[in-house]
Amino acid sequence: SQQGEEDPQALSIQEGENATMNCSYKTSINNLQWYRQNSGRGLVHLILIRSNEREKHSGRLRVTLDTSKKSSSLLITASRAADTASYFCATPPSTGTASKLTFGTGTRLQVTL
Amino acid sequence: EPEVTQTPSHQVTQMGQEVILRCVPISNHLYFYWYRQILGQKVEFLVSFYNNEISEKSEIFDDQFSVERPDGSNFTLKIRSTKLEDSAMYFCASSDPLGLYYGYTFGSGTRLTVV
Repeated sequence: SQQGEEDPQALSIQEGENATMNCSYKTSINNLQWYRQNSGRGLVHLILIRSNEREKHSGRLRVTLDTSKKSSSLLITASRAADTASYFCATPPSTGTASKLTFGTGTRLQVTL
Repeated sequence: EPEVTQTPSHQVTQMGQEVILRCVPISNHLYFYWYRQILGQKVEFLVSFYNNEISEKSEIFDDQFSVERPDGSNFTLKIRSTKLEDSAMYFCASSDPLGLYYGYTFGSGTRLTVV
């Protein structure tokens, strides 16, 4: 598998439900980031979790990181129609300096009323 | 909230023509990047730029591509002779000195269509 692969590829839920997306990566990381992309638009940074953190919250978002399994999950609670977007995990190299992000393939989330 | 600004939002060009995509990164960021996303595919890294020089580039970033920071605010990507396969969404991004604390801020992209 490639660095940063999300599953599922697509997820359809009803408004109010929770959405969980998973990301797996291959190499060691310094941090892992989640981004949202609305159709045809730019990438919006959602949350960053460092390798020494196991869980992080931001509003309705909850991110977990398991470095032993090289995996992360993004939970969106009480989803809204406006959450409809693609969600990507991304990892920079573990060298400690800013450099390229490697993006996953993304999860397309559809939230219906 | 500070933004990364990209212009134009959409550019159509003929194959073989030169295009320049422009970006204004966040003013106190020191690292700048270009990424691209071909329709329906992953976001791919092109190049990173720091201290007025390229710090890393991907295999996509061949001799047809160049980047420049002509003044203190703009960051440009030039494609010298566009090909059909250069059609994609191009994103500029910038980050804080280590890129570790706040993630990367992306612009809203330039959709390049080569005909």
